[in-house]
Amino acid sequence: GAVVSQHPSRVICKSGTSVKIECRSLDFQATTMFWYRQFPKQSLMLMATSNEGSKATYEQGVEKDKFLINHASLTLSTLTVTSAHPEDSSFYICSALKDGYTFGSGTRLTVV
Amino acid sequence: DQQVKQNSPSLSVQEGRISILNCDYTNSMFDYFLWYKKYPAEGPTFLISISSIKDKNEDGRFTVFLNKSAKHLSLHIVPSQPGDSAVYFCAGGDGTSGSRLTFGEGTQLTVNP
Repeated sequence: GAVVSQHPSRVICKSGTSVKIECRSLDFQATTMFWYRQFPKQSLMLMATSNEGSKATYEQGVEKDKFLINHASLTLSTLTVTSAHPEDSSFYICSALKDGYTFGSGTRLTVV
Repeated sequence: DQQVKQNSPSLSVQEGRISILNCDYTNSMFDYFLWYKKYPAEGPTFLISISSIKDKNEDGRFTVFLNKSAKHLSLHIVPSQPGDSAVYFCAGGDGTSGSRLTFGEGTQLTVNP
């Protein structure tokens, strides 16, 4: 079946630095990928829809300048959390659509 | 506006018994629904889906029921196994909104041996 690889699985960074999270479709091409964020004991909240070769579509309330999304190829989308702050600490998950939604394994970001 | 709600944050059942997880939605535009299972620090894995034109879909031990008039769906797991212990999310999708999914808050299922 379709596989989505997400890296890193866990990252700790200092406040003010930037962190890049990668999401790769391993055996299929994904023109569209989705980025979610999950706070503890809460729902997965869609942050943005990443479109290959064009700008991402951000959900209301998500700062596009803070959460930079690049979808430069059909198999790779990246989410960069810029100038990270402790409140950005969360679990970030990507997904791609291929005969259904396939999710990556998620990235636990901790900003200290 | 919480369009998908899972009102039970947790559920505990005995091994071999039936687990019933519930989900309510408010968005009439949803035309398909999915259930996902999630372990800690992992991404969700797909379990089962149902189109809005159906009222039941079955796959092995998992059955999803949809009551459109009540805007309610449920996931039945029978018989429940300890390995089923995880957080279960329901999600609604609207084909007109670019394949976006809206998730519920999740229900922690614990199956006791």
